Amino acid sequence: EIVLTQSPGTLSLSPGERATLSCRASQSVSSSYLAWYQQKPGQAPRLLIYGASSRATGIPDRFSGSGSGTDFTLTISRLEPEDFAVYYCQQYGSSPPALTFGGGTKVEIK
Amino acid sequence: QVTLRESGPALVKPTQTLTLTCTFSGFSLSTSGMCVSWIRQPPGKALEWLALIDWDDDKYYSTSLKTRLTISKDTSKNQVVLTMTNMDPVDTATYYCARMGIAADYFDYWGQGTLVTVSS
Repeated sequence: EIVLTQSPGTLSLSPGERATLSCRASQSVSSSYLAWYQQKPGQAPRLLIYGASSRATGIPDRFSGSGSGTDFTLTISRLEPEDFAVYYCQQYGSSPPALTFGGGTKVEIK
Repeated sequence: QVTLRESGPALVKPTQTLTLTCTFSGFSLSTSGMCVSWIRQPPGKALEWLALIDWDDDKYYSTSLKTRLTISKDTSKNQVVLTMTNMDPVDTATYYCARMGIAADYFDYWGQGTLVTVSS
């Protein structure tokens, strides 16, 4: 089973700053199979990025994803007040299908 | 539009079996490539994938929980059911169902979740 490790656990930043979130896999992940989600308190997760770098419908272009192999990054270019939340990465393994989530990174207001 | 809604008991006793139902609309689970999964999240903790069922009735489970889980679907009712046996207080969590679109490997639509507490 592939383990996803997200870092840092908490990121304290101010609105307007750049956020860089890391997701490291214990084995190589196909770039096609890496997604990122945003979760706010009391809400279900929301898909942000799929295929490592493709934005989901309606996601602002300040969100971008990159990476390959075992190292993936979610970047928020300039934090808006509504971006303070917890972010999760997720990978999909296809034979047989199995999915894992990272432990999450909380982006909090400094 | 696509919606999913989880339903089931809010409270179960230790050793009991939990049965959750995901009722969805806006898509058909008989469409080739479509899948529905269950994911849970203990309070204050991370997401954990539990099980997946696809349009062809193939079923896949988390390695750590597979002996306790059963997933099934009723295409005519647009429902997916998850049962989890031998519930324990550590299974206290919000349980979500979510859709994986055609040939997708990510969850594009989620239910709002249902909190299940395991306590005597």
